[in-house]
Amino acid sequence: EAGVAQSPRYKIIEKRQSVAFWCNPISGHATLYWYQQILGQGPKLLIQFQNNGVVDDSQLPKDRFSAERLKGVDSTLKIQPAKLEDSAVYLCASSLLQASGRELFFGEGSRLTVL
Amino acid sequence: QKEVEQNSGPLSVPEGAIASLNCTYSDRGSQSFFWYRQYSGKSPELIMSIYSNGDKEDGRFTAQLNKASQYVSLLIRDSQPSDSATYLCAVTLRGQNFVFGPGTRLSVLP
Repeated sequence: EAGVAQSPRYKIIEKRQSVAFWCNPISGHATLYWYQQILGQGPKLLIQFQNNGVVDDSQLPKDRFSAERLKGVDSTLKIQPAKLEDSAVYLCASSLLQASGRELFFGEGSRLTVL
Repeated sequence: QKEVEQNSGPLSVPEGAIASLNCTYSDRGSQSFFWYRQYSGKSPELIMSIYSNGDKEDGRFTAQLNKASQYVSLLIRDSQPSDSATYLCAVTLRGQNFVFGPGTRLSVLP
């Protein structure tokens, strides 16, 4: 079974530029998550999708971050304009169902450096 | 008050010893509890899940949950250098999102 795919693995941009990350979850997984992990910290949820609907985006900085999950499969996370504090690893995860007790499967992550 | 708290470490133990990792959470409605291991530069991977009070054992790992004290722990017996990693405690709140703690860095010394 293929795992969660993410791209690009690494991205370096200057502040005020834009960047987009792509995620393809495990086939059949209805729930998709984007987490931001700053060095030395635990992952912080940015947005959660159930199929193609948003379940929780309360911690997403909506003035600069946007995300979509068209057709309930793959997803894109965009940052525009980027700030220095956006330097982090962006982890995509998926799970079979939203209900508690379901394991999260993580992708390898996309490491963003903002100069 | 942070939702999920862990000692950041590093926690250093000698090879063969028992490593004890602790986690506290603030929401009494929390339902499911997980321990993830994250090697440097890698993504988190699930080690243990626990849903009811008591102990749950899986090989060298034992998860312990005490909902009254809002406390969950992970014991690693016969620690190996390959266990050196950051251990993340995760909690599902109100049956919804996974909330992660800051992680505890474990170093197992040969």
